[in-house]
Amino acid sequence: SQQGEEDPQALSIQEGENATMNCSYKTIINNLQWYRQNSGRGLVHLILIRSNEREKHSGRLRVTLDTSKKSSSLLITASRAADTASYFCATDAGTGANNLFFGTGTRLTVIP
Amino acid sequence: KAGVTQTPRYLIKTRGQQVTLSCSPISGHRSVSWYQQTPGQGLQFLFEYFSETQRNKGNFPGRFSGRQFSNSRSEMNVSTLELGDSALYLCASSLGAGTHSNQPQHFGDGTRLSIL
Repeated sequence: SQQGEEDPQALSIQEGENATMNCSYKTIINNLQWYRQNSGRGLVHLILIRSNEREKHSGRLRVTLDTSKKSSSLLITASRAADTASYFCATDAGTGANNLFFGTGTRLTVIP
Repeated sequence: KAGVTQTPRYLIKTRGQQVTLSCSPISGHRSVSWYQQTPGQGLQFLFEYFSETQRNKGNFPGRFSGRQFSNSRSEMNVSTLELGDSALYLCASSLGAGTHSNQPQHFGDGTRLSIL
């Protein structure tokens, strides 16, 4: 299976703290994406990092990518209660095709 | 700009029946992908349609099929429903042209299908 794994499976932090989630994958990729899913809703795209990039920022989000280790991390700084959600990493097939392979997800709870 | 719209939001069926789910992509998006989300298997890719043609297919049985219309709207059909087909079915759209794997996908809120 090309599905990645995320670590930790669940994370609970206080509002204002930073949250770090890790993702490992198995294949050669063109890019890696992070998505957020609130309970009972669809996925929201957060950030895309290409295989030739090592770090990318978007607002309070920082993503790193290490293709030699086939791993990525998502850092959310100064977390808010509204950040409570499940976070998924997703990789492409490396062939240019549009289908994504999702990780198992990290359930983040931010306590006000 | 309106987002991806999926109908219905909830559906209850019994084993052996068939079901059709609908997805309207963001205006201007020509690629529509379908995913199945279950607690056990997570998010799994079903298929992708672009310009009315199936461009990619995941590892699902032939009971799962889809199509795309000239206005890019897509439908997904599941025949001979099984208990294990209970899931959240998500549709995602993207522009689809060019280097398509480097494009973010925009998801609808899904159809929650329950099989009794």
